[in-house]
This record gives sequence, C-alpha cells and structure tokens, in this order.
Amino acid sequence: NAGVMQNPRHLVRRRGQEARLRCSPMKGHSHVYWYRQLPEEGLKFMVYLQKENIIDESGMPKERFSAEFPKEGPSILRIQQVVRGDSAAYFCASSPPRSGDRTGELFFGEGSRLTVL
Amino acid sequence: GENVEQHPSTLSVQEGDSAVIKCTYSDSASNYFPWYKQELGKGPQLIIDIRSNVGEKKDQRIAVTLNKTAKHFSLHITETQPEDSAVYFCAASKSTSGTYKYIFGTGTRLKVLA
Repeated sequence: NAGVMQNPRHLVRRRGQEARLRCSPMKGHSHVYWYRQLPEEGLKFMVYLQKENIIDESGMPKERFSAEFPKEGPSILRIQQVVRGDSAAYFCASSPPRSGDRTGELFFGEGSRLTVL
Repeated sequence: GENVEQHPSTLSVQEGDSAVIKCTYSDSASNYFPWYKQELGKGPQLIIDIRSNVGEKKDQRIAVTLNKTAKHFSLHITETQPEDSAVYFCAASKSTSGTYKYIFGTGTRLKVLA
C-alpha cells in the first residue's frame, strides 16, 4: 500500500522561474493538503483540496501560488516567479473521506525541498 | 487567531529516561490532537492521536493526555531509546464542515543520549 507520493524530492530554481510540485495521495484518499515548512520551523497550512475543488486556501499567499487537484492525476502546487523566500520544504498530506463528524488522520509524504538560487 | 504553543523546543534525555512534551491550544472548538514524529529529511509520521472525548491514550511506550478545561495536551515517551531522537510536532484540529485544517506547534527536537 503505497503512501503519499511526492515529486520531485528536491528542486532547484533560479529567481523568476516556476516551480511545480506534485502529490499523489494514498489509495482511497480523496482529500489533499499542502503544508510549507521553513528550516527549523513547524508546518504551516497552505491549502486543502478535494478532487476538482479547492476547499480552503486560507494559507496560500495571494500571488504567485496556486494549487489544483484534477479529476485524473496528481495534485499540483505551482509557484510562479519564485523568490528566495520560497525556499522551503513543501509537504503534501492526504486523508480518507470524512466519516460522520470525525476529523480524519493526515498521512504525509516525504516532502519536496525547493531551493531558490 | 488559532494558535498552538509547544514546549520545550529542545529536549535531551538519557536513554531509558522519560520525555514529556507539552502543547497548549487556543481554539476551544478543537477536538482532535495528533502527534507527529519527523526524522531528518523525512515527512512527519503520525505516532499517536487523541480525540476530545478521551482524557488519555496509550500505545506501548507512548501516551498522550488531554486536559480540555486547560486546553493542554502532552506527549509522554517512557524508556526512551536512541531511535526516539527526532523532531516531534503536536497539532490541533476541529471538524468544522468542509475543512480539516491542522494547526501545528513549532516542534520539539528530542535527543536521546546513549
């Protein structure tokens, strides 16, 4: 049973380029979350998606960042015109469909480490 | 806004001793409290969780306690081993309609000294 798969694991971009990070959730999971982790810090929520829907993007910067989770294929976090401050580890997590009023467990991938030169 | 405070930021213990990490949350509607272990270069792994209708939960050497009145919850690791060395994160969440947003603490770097 494969876990949450993220690629690439490491990505180097120059300022102004675009970064695309991919996430395939665990089998049977229909909810995807993206979190950002700066060095020596905790995880900050960015966005929560279900298939073809953005449910909560309250943690996403208003400009340059976008996320999608199409009907077919992985979820993608896209960062346009990257700046040095975008350097971080970006983690994707997935959870199973909700069961009643119970909050679902999040299962994290290994992360994509973005370095902006 | 919602906030989770976690202490201490670093913790060193001798192998075999116990380790305790404490978290405080601000949103009284939070009802789910997971703990994650993150090893260097890896993603966070869920190690134990507790829901608000329970005061304590144990899983072998790991236990979590929850005090809803004080909005505190703690992770207890007994008989620590070198492989317990990692960064531990607490989180708080609430099952409001449409979102599972977790608020994470800032992490505790645990070092178990052999």
